[in-house]
Amino acid sequence: QQPVQSPQAVILREGEDAVINCSSSKALYSVHWYRQKHGEAPVFLMILLKGGEQKGHEKISASFNEKKQQSSLYLTASQLSYSGTYFCGTDFTDKLIFGTGTRLQVFP
Amino acid sequence: KAGVTQTPRYLIKTRGQQVTLSCSPISGHRSVSWYQQTPGQGLQFLFEYFSETQRNKGNFPGRFSGRQFSNSRSEMNVSTLELGDSALYLCASSLVGQGAYEQYFGPGTRLTVT
Repeated sequence: QQPVQSPQAVILREGEDAVINCSSSKALYSVHWYRQKHGEAPVFLMILLKGGEQKGHEKISASFNEKKQQSSLYLTASQLSYSGTYFCGTDFTDKLIFGTGTRLQVFP
Repeated sequence: KAGVTQTPRYLIKTRGQQVTLSCSPISGHRSVSWYQQTPGQGLQFLFEYFSETQRNKGNFPGRFSGRQFSNSRSEMNVSTLELGDSALYLCASSLVGQGAYEQYFGPGTRLTVT
C-alpha cells in the first residue's frame, strides 16, 4: 500500500518553513525520507524507527506517530538548496514502499 | 568510496525486445533494490536482492526479473518490452537491507521503448 504524501507541491521563499506529511494505511516499522533534485538520484535524509530512534540529517527534523501511522518532515528556515522532490518510504515486513512525492520549490 | 554505478545510462529499445540493466553497489553493501520511476508515480519498488537471493518483490508482472551475483552486483531484465515500460530505472544499495538502513541510489538507466 503506497503511502500518501501531502501536500503534493509547496512553493516557499528563502527562510520560510514547510511541513511535509506522510501517512500509511498499514502499521509501520519505520519511515524513510529522501530528497531528489531534478535530474539527480534520490539522496537519503532520515530514517525514523519504531520506538523513537532517528538516524539522519542534522538540519532536518521529522516526527513519527506510530499510532496514527503518520510521519512529518519539518524544513525550517528553508534554503535554495532545499528545492527538490521529497519522498517518504514506509516499511513494514522489510519492504520499503515510496509515496508519489512532494515537490518543493524555494525562491530567493 | 565509489558510489553506486548503473550501466547503461540510456537505452532505446523497440516494443517486444528485451533489455538487461546492470547495477554495481557500493563496496561492502549486500542489498540491492530496484525501482521504476515515472512522472506522477514516484518510485515503484520492483525487487530487492540480498546475498544472491530475492528477498522482496513489488507488484510487477513476471516480465520483470532480476538476479544478484556473488560480488553483490545485480542485473535486472525486462522481457517483451511494452511502451509503458519507458521509465527511469534506479537501483539502490544498502549495507544489510532496505528496511532499517539508508539506501544509496545510482544515477539510473533511462529506458525508452518505441
